[in-house]
Amino acid sequence: QVQLQESGPGLVKPSQTLTLTCAVSGGSVGSDDYFWSWIRQVSGKGLEWIGYIAKSGNTHYSPALRSRLDISVGPSKGQFSLNLNSLTAADTATYFCARGVAVAAGLYFDFWGRGTPVSVSS
Amino acid sequence: QSVLTQPPSMSAAAGQKVTISCSGSTSDIYYNFVSWYQHLPGTAPRLLIYENNKRPSGVPGRFSGSKSGTSATLDISGLQPGDEGDYYCGTWDNALKADVFGGGTRLTVL
Repeated sequence: QVQLQESGPGLVKPSQTLTLTCAVSGGSVGSDDYFWSWIRQVSGKGLEWIGYIAKSGNTHYSPALRSRLDISVGPSKGQFSLNLNSLTAADTATYFCARGVAVAAGLYFDFWGRGTPVSVSS
Repeated sequence: QSVLTQPPSMSAAAGQKVTISCSGSTSDIYYNFVSWYQHLPGTAPRLLIYENNKRPSGVPGRFSGSKSGTSATLDISGLQPGDEGDYYCGTWDNALKADVFGGGTRLTVL
């Protein structure tokens, strides 16, 4: 059974960079043919897909966040990370990591973490 | 504002059936597979339906999905108190070139 667990700072100041890590157990980010993804939810709103990294290292990002975003693997193949810079209050959300499975177009997400809350405030 | 439109809330009595709708467009649902997720308080979101109407192993047959045109629906029959939570639809948007989700439906079991 695959399990994912997010970790991060909880509170970040505006204009700074958010770094989150997702620890994967029961699977390998570097070898399994899945798309390791980040998704967020602003309180009271729906889910927003952020982006993914594949085992090849290829990434695909939401157009809305692409200019501020980097998703990477490592340092071990058992985890992947999100870096989001130039933070504003609009980035305050619960951030989930998930395993994506490719379909004809896009992904569905078969395993998720419980999410980690992030507040952007001075 | 979410790309896919869901009713913000629904309620039904225990044992009854509820149908949650997900409305999209020709940029998203019409040409692509839809998935559904359940998010209960304090837990990780759970995949209920993928590729419009397929259930992962372990998801009860009380949950079923369908798609027609630019809309999709999730049916939950034999409602149980443990079904209370938020339900989301998701698909790929050809114009945005991104996975998109609905705004979520908060289900209350009376």
